[in-house]
Amino acid sequence: GESVGLHLPTLSVQEGDNSIINCAYSNSASDYFIWYKQESGKGPQFIIDIRSNMDKRQGQRVTVLLNKTVKHLSLQIAATQPGDSAVYFCAGLGGSGGGADGLTFGKGTHLIIQP
Amino acid sequence: NAGVMQNPRHLVRRRGQEARLRCSPMKGHSHVYWYRQLPEEGLKFMVYLQKENIIDESGMPKERFSAEFPKEGPSILRIQQVVRGDSAAYFCASSNPGPTLGEKLFFGSGTQLSVL
Repeated sequence: GESVGLHLPTLSVQEGDNSIINCAYSNSASDYFIWYKQESGKGPQFIIDIRSNMDKRQGQRVTVLLNKTVKHLSLQIAATQPGDSAVYFCAGLGGSGGGADGLTFGKGTHLIIQP
Repeated sequence: NAGVMQNPRHLVRRRGQEARLRCSPMKGHSHVYWYRQLPEEGLKFMVYLQKENIIDESGMPKERFSAEFPKEGPSILRIQQVVRGDSAAYFCASSNPGPTLGEKLFFGSGTQLSVL
């Protein structure tokens, strides 16, 4: 079955630096991944997604990289700002027990921005 | 253009009582999903509904939990005879079907259920 998890529960970065949040998945059949941002007291908010036929996708200040060989994806945030403080979740499509078209969430990484 | 609305934001129940959580999807959306989130955990899928129809309830506990999405009105997640282990944040999301699920899945702010 699928499991989606992150390497670190907490990541602390200086304001203005780049942030890299990592995620590993177990199901090699997964073909779609999403990164969500969840601020305190709020629901998850879509950031960026990527399909398995791509290895990189860029958005505004964010880049997602997918390495299918080692089943790893990462979220890069450029020039981190205080407003980026949140918990970041990766979610994969194709996992067992995920429902909703098989969307399985990882546990999350808490990104802390230091002034 | 209101987003996904959940109420109440906070719900306190004593063991054995019933909890009713409501979710009004985004305008025009016909699909509703319920997720549960424990502290320091990711979201766990519970159930996926369309109007008057349960599509996938594979994440729903077999007992005490039920969900509906009537033709009119909000989707309801109902937990009977609550226990302390039911304490969690419950999130609702809505969408319309499409090729890119992530962009089309919108979450509400959640209901925090506390069982005393």
